[in-house]
Amino acid sequence: DADVTQTPRNRITKTGKRIMLECSQTKGHDRMYWYRQDPGLGLRLIYYSFDVKDINKGEISDGYSVSRQAQAKFSLSLESAIPNQTALYFCATSDHQGASYNEQFFGPGTRLTVL
Amino acid sequence: AQSVSQHNHHVILSEAASLELGCNYSYGGTVNLFWYVQYPGQHLQLLLKYFSGDPLVKGIKGFEAEFIKSKFSFNLRKPSVQWSDTAEYFCAVKSNNAGNMLTFGGGTRLMVKP
Repeated sequence: DADVTQTPRNRITKTGKRIMLECSQTKGHDRMYWYRQDPGLGLRLIYYSFDVKDINKGEISDGYSVSRQAQAKFSLSLESAIPNQTALYFCATSDHQGASYNEQFFGPGTRLTVL
Repeated sequence: AQSVSQHNHHVILSEAASLELGCNYSYGGTVNLFWYVQYPGQHLQLLLKYFSGDPLVKGIKGFEAEFIKSKFSFNLRKPSVQWSDTAEYFCAVKSNNAGNMLTFGGGTRLMVKP
């Protein structure tokens, strides 16, 4: 679904490096989310934002930070990457009203490998 | 702790077999329930959702799910699977007792043999 895009799609980095993953959406949604997916654990919420001035920690926020630069952009940063942050990262969006209320729409994912 | 459990981690079926994937949750209060599918190399897509009303929900591609409140379950079913149903399936729950955030199960990887 091109409405939610993520860059880069794949990234290999080394321990200790700073990494930023970017998410953009054209759906006009006010809510955005970052998840990581690990085998057998499903998706776990890292951070979420209900609007530009609202940032909240999710289940596993340690080691991550986020920035909501605009309604359409939500970036995830790893200040000092470590190997156990190797995972598939998904951005998602949702609206707070209307027909799509409560449904989240996902980006294509970023596969991050930390060596 | 509040959680979502998918008991089958890997399922292998032949084409035309019937499918049932289990999902149980431990939330109290009002819940919204979802099944998402992730085809190989693709992002998650919504299969179906339950908010209220008829507990038997029909989704895309012939899938359905039944909400059984007394069992805290929302099992996914399809009478006859196809090779193209090979994917990973995720159950997710949103509860007003959990800050209205979406919590995912661990996923079930389905392989359909042609």
